[in-house]
Amino acid sequence: DVQMTQSPSSLSASVGDRVTITCRASQGINNYLSWIQQKPGKAPKFLIYAADSLQGGVPSKFSGSGSGKDYTLTISSLQPEDSATYYCQQHDSYPLTFGGGTKVEIK
Amino acid sequence: EVQLVESGGGLVQPGGSLRLSCAVSGFTFSDHYMDWVRQAPGKGLEWVGRIRNKAYTTEYAASVKGRFTISRDDSRNSLDLQMNSLKTDDTAVYFCARRHTTMYYMDVWGKGTTVTVSS
Repeated sequence: DVQMTQSPSSLSASVGDRVTITCRASQGINNYLSWIQQKPGKAPKFLIYAADSLQGGVPSKFSGSGSGKDYTLTISSLQPEDSATYYCQQHDSYPLTFGGGTKVEIK
Repeated sequence: EVQLVESGGGLVQPGGSLRLSCAVSGFTFSDHYMDWVRQAPGKGLEWVGRIRNKAYTTEYAASVKGRFTISRDDSRNSLDLQMNSLKTDDTAVYFCARRHTTMYYMDVWGKGTTVTVSS
């Protein structure tokens, strides 16, 4: 199974800060990497696919990058509505696996 | 509007069975692979399984293989998850999710239905 390791597990940042979350796969996943946002009690919301492609309707403050085993989600200017848990997920091989999540809080 | 609406959750005793459904609308269901994903209380997301379109073949997580069965009825735009031999560890919110037709990422998610396995 491909293990997805996210870091940090939580962070607290101020409005306007640039925030970066990393995700490392235990093996190469050919950029089959998605980022998902989940707010408490809500359904997950899909943000980014293929490592760096923004889903339609997602604000451009979100961006993704990476290749091979290492991937990054960046929020360029953190806003209060970005308070959520973010997950990476690979769909290169079965079983599909998620990172453990990064909880983003606003200071 | 694309919608996925799960139903069928509830309280069940260990060893019991439950059948979840996911009603879809707003897109051509038969064009898409579909997945079930779950989230235990206070925990992260865990993939449960997937069913292809057309061939209807399935894949499952090791934790549910042999106990859970995914099926679909394209004529009713419905996805099902039959859960047997339930364990307390199966307690979770269960989400259905649609896969993109060509790139196979999960692009649309339902709001989930809650399953509680407890005596």
